[in-house]
Amino acid sequence: EAQVTQNPRYLITVTGKKLTVTCSQNMNHEYMSWYRQDPGLGLRQIYYSMNVEVTDKGDVPEGYKVSRKEKRNFPLILESPSPNQTSLYFCASSFGGRRNEKLFFGSGTQLSVL
Amino acid sequence: QKEVEQDPGPLSVPEGAIVSLNCTYSNSAFQYFMWYRQYSRKGPELLMYTYSSGNKEDGRFTAQVDKSSKYISLFIRDSQPSDSATYLCAMSPISSGSARQLTFGSGTQLTVLP
Repeated sequence: EAQVTQNPRYLITVTGKKLTVTCSQNMNHEYMSWYRQDPGLGLRQIYYSMNVEVTDKGDVPEGYKVSRKEKRNFPLILESPSPNQTSLYFCASSFGGRRNEKLFFGSGTQLSVL
Repeated sequence: QKEVEQDPGPLSVPEGAIVSLNCTYSNSAFQYFMWYRQYSRKGPELLMYTYSSGNKEDGRFTAQVDKSSKYISLFIRDSQPSDSATYLCAMSPISSGSARQLTFGSGTQLTVLP
């Protein structure tokens, strides 16, 4: 089944404790991205990747890191999480990253930073 | 002012009603418009994609774009309880061929009562 898999689904952590949210897709997609979703603010892009070893900042990259060492994986790293990073996070992918392509989303990771 | 405004609802309608969901935008460069549906505890999924002004129909769903008024709508005919979800509009400027420049609305929560 074609899918984007995120782990974990729920995560509670404390300020400053490094964490990684994993994202994997099995569709051989070149384009992958991370979004955060907050009430009233919609989906905002954190980072995106057009292909292996090619990543760039989205609209809200501060406090986040990503890497794209393999085509299928695009982990999101929070080196020193803070309470304002409490949010619902989504990983998404598409074949070539073109605007008219369907974005496939994972099921989300609900992160709480205490 | 946000580039894309969407009434958050919540909106409750009886089964069989016609539902109208709307977004307004301020950036006249937006030329590509999408509607995503997001079920509870799931990632968004693409429902419809339109480019030109006018209507596009897909089964019970009709997407309407009025570029002169910077206003887009999604109509759902014969609404079903399975349509209960949050609906997100998304748009992209004409200058961008990339999915990385999608701007999302904050979503409207719809409940269809049996």
